[in-house]
Amino acid sequence: SQKIEQNSEALNIQEGKTATLTCNYTNYSPAYLQWYRQDPGRGPVFLLLIRENEKEKRKERLKVTFDTTLKQSLFHITASQPADSATYLCALVGDDKIIFGKGTRLHILP
Amino acid sequence: DAGVIQSPRHEVTEMGQEVTLRCKPISGHDYLFWYRQTMMRGLELLIYFNNNVPIDDSGMPEDRFSAKMPNASFSTLKIQPSEPRDSAVYFCASSLSRAGSYNEQFFGPGTRLTVL
Repeated sequence: SQKIEQNSEALNIQEGKTATLTCNYTNYSPAYLQWYRQDPGRGPVFLLLIRENEKEKRKERLKVTFDTTLKQSLFHITASQPADSATYLCALVGDDKIIFGKGTRLHILP
Repeated sequence: DAGVIQSPRHEVTEMGQEVTLRCKPISGHDYLFWYRQTMMRGLELLIYFNNNVPIDDSGMPEDRFSAKMPNASFSTLKIQPSEPRDSAVYFCASSLSRAGSYNEQFFGPGTRLTVL
């Protein structure tokens, strides 16, 4: 069955450093992948979308890579700030389906 | 625009009761999605509509769940009868079709359902 895993439940990063979150998947060939941010008590907020034929996408301090050979996406936040603390979800889209990972809680420590 | 609007924000009910969750998508969006989020299972797609027509309801867990979209600005998710295992946060999301059905989705604030 299709499976999507995000590297860890929680990640602590020192302010100013780069935070790297991982999304791995198996038994799936997604057409594209999305990353969302979710704050406590709120709905997810869309951040970035990357297609299977794109290797990298950037938006301000955010960078996403997509390796269909490794079946992995990396999500980077450079120059991290305490305001970046949240849960980050990856979502795979393909075969007219969307599957979300359970998310990684990111804590940026001042 | 006010974004996706969901009501109620919190619902506490007893097992066996009917529960109706409501959603108003962003004006002009032609896709509407219903999701359920739990700690154990994460965020799961239940059903989605395109132009008010249900397209994929394969995620609806049981016949106790039903969803309708009578017009472009309103949708309901009904659970009848409700059970304790239905306790979760239910999200509604909408999107504007561009290059596929699962484009950038705009989520509502969610309805936290507790079934006692």
